[in-house]
Amino acid sequence: DFVMTQSPDSLAVSLGERATINCKSSQSVLYSSDNKNYLAWYQHKPGQPPKVLMSWASTRESGVPDRFSGSGSGTDFTLTISSLQPEDVAVYYCQQYYTPPRTFGQGTKVEI
Amino acid sequence: QLHLQESGPGLVKPSETLSLTCTVSGGSISSTSHYWGWIRQPPGKGLEWIGSIYYSGNTYYNLSLKSRVTISVDTSKNQFSLKLSSVTAADTAVYFCAKEALSGWVYYWGQGALVTVSS
Repeated sequence: DFVMTQSPDSLAVSLGERATINCKSSQSVLYSSDNKNYLAWYQHKPGQPPKVLMSWASTRESGVPDRFSGSGSGTDFTLTISSLQPEDVAVYYCQQYYTPPRTFGQGTKVEI
Repeated sequence: QLHLQESGPGLVKPSETLSLTCTVSGGSISSTSHYWGWIRQPPGKGLEWIGSIYYSGNTYYNLSLKSRVTISVDTSKNQFSLKLSSVTAADTAVYFCAKEALSGWVYYWGQGALVTVSS
């Protein structure tokens, strides 16, 4: 199985400051035939279902604010929140969908 | 507006079978562009993908659960279901049903259903 490891486990960021979350895959999720990274990012707030932020490592989903951005390729990826807002307090997960089982990282808790 | 709703017993005894159904409204489960999946989150822990099914019945399972898991689809009722046999306390979790892109990422989640395994 692909093992997804996120860092840090938690971080506290001041309002308006940048938050950076890292995700490392045990194997490359870059599919050579289409040159796409099979990686998604999700935001999970208490009492709500998770919400997809990014697919293909860096494609922002409809309605996601542009302060969220994704980068990286192969085995190393980053989710960046450029200017943290109160509503961004949540746990963030990366997920590889390169191959089943579609494994998640352990999550990163973002606080103010 | 798509809506996914999990339903089933909230309490299951150890060694018995956990059964959940996801009812899809606002869209057809017979879509050729999606998979339908189950994901769970034990209390205080992260997300674990359980498996997915295509409307035709083609399935993918998490190998760590494969011997105990069955996912099925009922297109006439616009529902898909999860059965997890021989449950233990470790299977206590919030179970989410979800709509997945064919490539595999989850772009819509149900609200989730807490299932507790306890005698």
